[in-house]
Amino acid sequence: DQQVKQNSPSLSVQEGRISILNCDYTNSMFDYFLWYKKYPAEGPTFLISISSIKDKNEDGRFTVFLNKSAKHLSLHIVPSQPGDSAVYFCAAHYGGSQGNLIFGKGTKLSVKP
Amino acid sequence: EAGVAQSPRYKIIEKRQSVAFWCNPISGHATLYWYQQILGQGPKLLIQFQNNGVVDDSQLPKDRFSAERLKGVDSTLKIQPAKLEDSAVYLCASSRGQQETQYFGPGTRLLVL
Repeated sequence: DQQVKQNSPSLSVQEGRISILNCDYTNSMFDYFLWYKKYPAEGPTFLISISSIKDKNEDGRFTVFLNKSAKHLSLHIVPSQPGDSAVYFCAAHYGGSQGNLIFGKGTKLSVKP
Repeated sequence: EAGVAQSPRYKIIEKRQSVAFWCNPISGHATLYWYQQILGQGPKLLIQFQNNGVVDDSQLPKDRFSAERLKGVDSTLKIQPAKLEDSAVYLCASSRGQQETQYFGPGTRLLVL
């Protein structure tokens, strides 16, 4: 039973345009959400996070939006750059879980020059 | 600051053989995690340590997998005997404390033939 779902396995975007990666979750106990970026043959790298008490968090070109009523979050990358091409994982954890993360399956983003 | 180190990077073994992976977390990080990432899936937590104690090993197949973190720093994960379905990338992560940002190593790619 997938508690964190990334329904788009891949996404292709032109350089300079906006990339929007989506993530849905089923567990209403989740209170913290993270996005990780992964290049081939490397481990995931933390990108940005958001607490469930917020609906938006921004860090440079990256913004994460959280819609708790819809159990949906999205990562916006503006403008997209070829170096952003990677697999993006959505992850979540809930209070009392000792912090272990539940990951989605990932979305492969390709940014074309 | 050095990142999370893992070795070996790649390992090929035959089924029923044993294998061990090593992880050295970021200095000062009290919490250490082992994840299994099967191709096309997100990482799945196997075991979590707080210093040298186990916090969560609920998803560790204890009949064949074992892990230790004897001095609260380095950790080893062992599989004995290996099965074909153990083919995956084994990721080690560390964080300053529980529910803090996790930093991942490059992973060990295991192929069981």
